[in-house]
Amino acid sequence: GNSVTQMEGPVTLSEEAFLTINCTYTATGYPSLFWYVQYPGEGLQLLLKATKADDKGSNKGFEATYRKETTSFHLEKGSVQVSDSAVYFCALSTGNTGGFKTIFGAGTRLFVKA
Amino acid sequence: DTGVSQDPRHKITKRGQNVTFRCDPISEHNRLYWYRQTLGQGPEFLTYFQNEAQLEKSRLLSDRFSAERPKGSFSTLEIQRTEQGDSAMYLCASSMTERPDTQYFGPGTRLTVL
Repeated sequence: GNSVTQMEGPVTLSEEAFLTINCTYTATGYPSLFWYVQYPGEGLQLLLKATKADDKGSNKGFEATYRKETTSFHLEKGSVQVSDSAVYFCALSTGNTGGFKTIFGAGTRLFVKA
Repeated sequence: DTGVSQDPRHKITKRGQNVTFRCDPISEHNRLYWYRQTLGQGPEFLTYFQNEAQLEKSRLLSDRFSAERPKGSFSTLEIQRTEQGDSAMYLCASSMTERPDTQYFGPGTRLTVL
């Protein structure tokens, strides 16, 4: 079945450090891939997405590239801020065959220290 | 556009009681989804609607759970005879038919069953 695996957290970084959160997926067909972010006490927010191979999604300094050959969608940011502390979820949506329901990874908690 | 709203935000109930949650999607969105998120995990798909039609239900949705979207606008999720294992965050999301892979999430209803 379709699934998403992301690196376990928590990830603790100092401000201005480089961030990578790994995400790999298993899916039939050609899924769309997403990163969602959940700030403390808030709901899920779509951070970025990519809908086909080699697409790069980007937003707020974060980016991720859809790699079909490695079935990966790793999240990166060159310089994190304290305000980036949150839980990050990698997800996929499989289109008609999956009813467009979204399948999420378990989430990776990020702590950024000043 | 005020986003997806959910009511109540928090619900505490005793085991065996019935509870009902409401979701109001973004007004022009035809698709509506329900997810459940337990502590430390990503959201898990429960069910989704295309207008008023319920098109898919997860096997997570036991007979005690029922969801409706009678007029194709707001939706309700009812849990009968609640159990402690039902304690979770219940999330609603909506999307446009033309862009079903991009879902916008509400803030969630946190259910605690004592």
